[in-house]
Amino acid sequence: DVQMTQSPSFVSASVGDRVTITCRASQGINSWLAWYQQKPGKAPKLLIFAASSLRSGVPSRFSGSRSGTDFTLTITSLQPEDFATYYCQQTNSFPPTFGQGTKLDIK
Amino acid sequence: QVQLQESGPGLVKPSETLSLTCTVSGDSINNYYWTWIRQPPGKGLEWIGYVYYSGSTNYNPSLKSRVTISVDRSTKQFSLKLNSVTAADTAVYYCARDNSGYYHLDDWGQGTLVTVSS
Repeated sequence: DVQMTQSPSFVSASVGDRVTITCRASQGINSWLAWYQQKPGKAPKLLIFAASSLRSGVPSRFSGSRSGTDFTLTITSLQPEDFATYYCQQTNSFPPTFGQGTKLDIK
Repeated sequence: QVQLQESGPGLVKPSETLSLTCTVSGDSINNYYWTWIRQPPGKGLEWIGYVYYSGSTNYNPSLKSRVTISVDRSTKQFSLKLNSVTAADTAVYYCARDNSGYYHLDDWGQGTLVTVSS
């Protein structure tokens, strides 16, 4: 299976900050990567698919990018509702696999 | 807007079969891939498998020998059966919709906790 490694595992930030979360694939996955946001006790929500395609309705302060096997989720101008855990998922190789998560909390 | 709702027992005994159903409302069940994912308490996400509306399936090899996912278009429901469960199968189980067949999950149910314990 393709291993997805997220960094950092935890990040503290303030409202208005810019935050970057990275996901590294153990092998090439082209641009087949999705990002999800999960709040405590809730199901994950899809934010981005195909590495950089923003799902309809997701605020434009979320963006995704790719450099080789490294993928980045960037949140500009953090809002209070953005504090959550974020997961990446590779969808190139079967079975699809997730990163271990990055928890973003308030500084 | 599609809504998904999981239902089933919250407690299953070791060695028995875990059975969950997901009811779809607000949209057709046709032309989509209906998926199960699980999340052990405090841990990450695991893709279990999907059933296409036509009935074809695809399972995670790590669970394939124990999993069956099926669909009933007449009731707009799809189901998960996981047999020979152990404590390691304790998790929140989510049903979800994959709109494209490319494995990312567009819409999710709220999840249901299933505990395996005697």
